Amino acid sequence: GQQLNQSPQSMFIQEGEDVSMNCTSSSIFNTWLWYKQEPGEGPVLLIALYKAGELTSNGRLTAQFGITRKDSFLNISASIPSDVGIYFCAGQLPLGYGQNFVFGPGTRLSVLP
Amino acid sequence: ETGVTQTPRHLVMGMTNKKSLKCEQHLGHNAMYWYKQSAKKPLELMFVYNFKEQTENNSVPSRFSPECPNSSHLFLHLHTLQPEDSALYLCASSRAAQGVQETQYFGPGTRLLVL
Repeated sequence: GQQLNQSPQSMFIQEGEDVSMNCTSSSIFNTWLWYKQEPGEGPVLLIALYKAGELTSNGRLTAQFGITRKDSFLNISASIPSDVGIYFCAGQLPLGYGQNFVFGPGTRLSVLP
Repeated sequence: ETGVTQTPRHLVMGMTNKKSLKCEQHLGHNAMYWYKQSAKKPLELMFVYNFKEQTENNSVPSRFSPECPNSSHLFLHLHTLQPEDSALYLCASSRAAQGVQETQYFGPGTRLLVL
């Protein structure tokens, strides 16, 4: 079935550093979603991307929908301790491709003060 | 607040118990989903309901039984579970399943422990 690969699997950064993570697949997606999950909570939507090439920001977060429609990246600028969590990407497959949303395994982010 | 609530937040049950998880969405959506999240694994889709009709059962064992009485409420009935069923159970909703430019919104989850 369709799979999403996320990299890196985990990262440790210093407070104030910028962060970049990405999500890739061999399949084409119509929508890319980025979520953040903190311990004991459900994933919270950060950014939704609906068009190839689209670049969208939400505060210090910026995400882009790859022009091939097979990848997306998320950048966090000037990281702070509350950025700690697991970041998931999710892609919505075109109609007729079975399971509509596919989730990546997540990137675990740790921010050192 | 994402507009999706789940109760209870935590549940401990024995293997012979019967319990139910509840999900409610206040977003006016028509599709609702159950996911299982185990440690160090990607989210596993369990069930999808679209306009109250079940459209997907992702080979889930029959000891999990979903119910969707209306577009705003979704239940997951549990009976004779196994310890390996311990996980975080997440509910999500979207405007429609397999719609165009859909976005899923998640509840906070129910942390289930089966003893």
